[in-house]
Formats: sequence, C-alpha cells, structure tokens
Amino acid sequence: DAGITQSPRYKITETGRQVTLMCHQTWSHSYMFWYRQDLGHGLRLIYYSAAADITDKGEVPDGYVVSRSKTENFPLTLESATRSQTSVYFCASSRGTGSEGYTFGSGTRLTVV
Amino acid sequence: GEDVEQSLFLSVREGDSSVINCTYTDSSSTYLYWYKQEPGAGLQLLTYIFSNMDMKQDQRLTVLLNKKDKHLSLRIADTQTGDSAIYFCAESAGNNAGNMLTFGGGTRLMVKP
Repeated sequence: DAGITQSPRYKITETGRQVTLMCHQTWSHSYMFWYRQDLGHGLRLIYYSAAADITDKGEVPDGYVVSRSKTENFPLTLESATRSQTSVYFCASSRGTGSEGYTFGSGTRLTVV
Repeated sequence: GEDVEQSLFLSVREGDSSVINCTYTDSSSTYLYWYKQEPGAGLQLLTYIFSNMDMKQDQRLTVLLNKKDKHLSLRIADTQTGDSAIYFCAESAGNNAGNMLTFGGGTRLMVKP
C-alpha cells in the first residue's frame, strides 16, 4: 500500500531498554522527520533527514538516534528509554518542494514504565 | 527566529462558524498550511495558501492571509461535530532548503451539539 506507515502502533517498554520505532514511506520522498507530541508542547522535532545517509538534529534530539540507510526507511531508536520519553511519536515525509507540505504517519504511542 | 502562535482552545456550537487564528513571524514564508489532527491519528493536511494570495476557499473552509500583520486564519462554515479536532497552522520559510515547516502549538476545537 502506498503511504507512510509507522510501527508498532503501541509500545510499552521498561526504563533503560533500547527500543526502535519504525517508519516506512513508499513515495521516495527525500525528506523524513520524527516528531514527538506531548500535552502542552505541541509537536517537537527530534531529528530529520534530507536524503539517505544525511541526518540532522532537531529541537529535542538527546537520547535518540536515527539512521537512514535507505530512502524509504527512517527508524528512530531510544538508546536507553526514560520515563520522560513517554510520548506519541510521529514520522512524516516530504518531497521538500512545492505545496504538499508534510505527510504524517498515524503515530506510535510509547509508554516507558 | 521562526515562531508560530495559536490560541489553545475554541468551543463552538454545531452549525456555527469557527475561526481559528494563527500568527507567524517569518515574512519570507512561501506557503502556509492548516493541518487537522483527529483523536488518535496523525496530522492530515487540510489546505494551504500561497503567500501571494489573500484568500483561498475550499468548500466549507476559508483561509485568510494578512501578510502585513503576519496573520493567518481558518474559517470553518457550518461547523459539525466531526470537525472536533486539533488544528495546526504551519509555515514554510522562503529561503529554507527542503521547505521545512514550523508548526504552531495547535488549537483544540470542540463542537457542541
């Protein structure tokens, strides 16, 4: 199916564990983004990528790692999960030009206990 | 720096018009967007306006842009309970590679029957 998909949809993990959130898009969009959404903070950019093998930090990158070995995938890894990383995580993609803006995935709700 | 501001909350009665407001700071914005987020879902692009336009209408939606005051608004005519959601405005800076977007904090619209 065409689109942008995130997995898992829900995840519960323990403090200190490593967890990876997956994001896959089928449009060959150059740009991909990871946001977290928390009450009172709106959307905060964690990391973004302009192309395969090119990534850059956003507003809140600490405690997260990303990679982009293939254009269509942009996984987000929490190296050692903390309770403050409990959040809803959204992946988005964009061509980087024109009026289409970003296309968002459905989100991953992560709870760190 | 770039900043996009929205009021947090709006409550209207079904059948009334809703007006959601947004202010931005980057005068070189090329596109401005409105996204809708329903509960438990990702953000969906509702509409956008190019910076050389003052108004754009799309069925029940009317976008007004006042470049002088850096003010963007979204009017929803005949608001329905299905319009209850969080609405985000976003701007793309004109001299910004990759058409990166800056999002407002979101306005929660509640529609009462």
